[in-house]
Amino acid sequence: NAGVMQNPRHLVRRRGQEARLRCSPMKGHSHVYWYRQLPEEGLKFMVYLQKENIIDESGMPKERFSAEFPKEGPSILRIQQVVRGDSAAYFCASSPSAGARVGDTQYFGPGTRLTVL
Amino acid sequence: AQSVTQLDSQVPVFEEAPVELRCNYSSSVSVYLFWYVQYPNQGLQLLLKYLSGSTLVKGINGFEAEFNKSQTSFHLRKPSVHISDTAEYFCAVSDQTSYDKVIFGPGTSLSVIP
Repeated sequence: NAGVMQNPRHLVRRRGQEARLRCSPMKGHSHVYWYRQLPEEGLKFMVYLQKENIIDESGMPKERFSAEFPKEGPSILRIQQVVRGDSAAYFCASSPSAGARVGDTQYFGPGTRLTVL
Repeated sequence: AQSVTQLDSQVPVFEEAPVELRCNYSSSVSVYLFWYVQYPNQGLQLLLKYLSGSTLVKGINGFEAEFNKSQTSFHLRKPSVHISDTAEYFCAVSDQTSYDKVIFGPGTSLSVIP
C-alpha cells in the first residue's frame, strides 16, 4: 500500500517562472492538505481540499498561489512567478475522511523542496 | 484558534540517556494532540497521538507522551535514546470541533551524542 507520493522531490526554478507540485494521496484517501515549511520553521497550513473542492485556503498567500484536486489525478499546488521567498519544503498530507476531527491521522508525503534562484 | 509552543529549539543528549521534549498548547476548545518526527530530508512520520481516554500515550520507537489538561501540555519522553533518534520533532494540535487543519509547533531538534 503506497504512501503519499509527491513529485518532484526537488525543484529548481528561476525567479518569475512557474512551479507545479504534485501530490498523490494514499489509496482510498479523498482529503488532501498542503503545508509549507520555511527554513528553520515548523510546518504552516496552506490549504485543505477534497475532490474537486477547496474547503479551506486560509493559509494560502492571496496572490500567485493556487491549488486543485481534480476528480481524476493528483492534487496540484501551483506557484506562479516564483520569488526567492517561495523557497521552502512543501508537504502534502492525506486522510481518508474528515481527518483529525474524527481522529484520523494525516499521512505525510516526503515533500518537494523548491529552490528559487 | 490554537497555538503550539515548543520551548526548546535544540536538545542535545547523550546516547542511552533519557529525554523529554516539551510541548504546550493553547486552545479554547477540546483538541487532538500529535507528535511527528522528521528525519533529515524526509517527510513527517507520526510518532503518537492523543484523541481521548488514557492520558499516557505510547507511540513507536519507544516514545511516549502524557497529556496534562490542567497544564495544557503534551510532553514527549523516551527513557533511553539512540543515535537513530536524532531528528526534528514537531508537536501538533487539531481542533476537535472543527475540521482538520493541524497546527504545528516550531519543532525541537534532538541531537543524540555518542
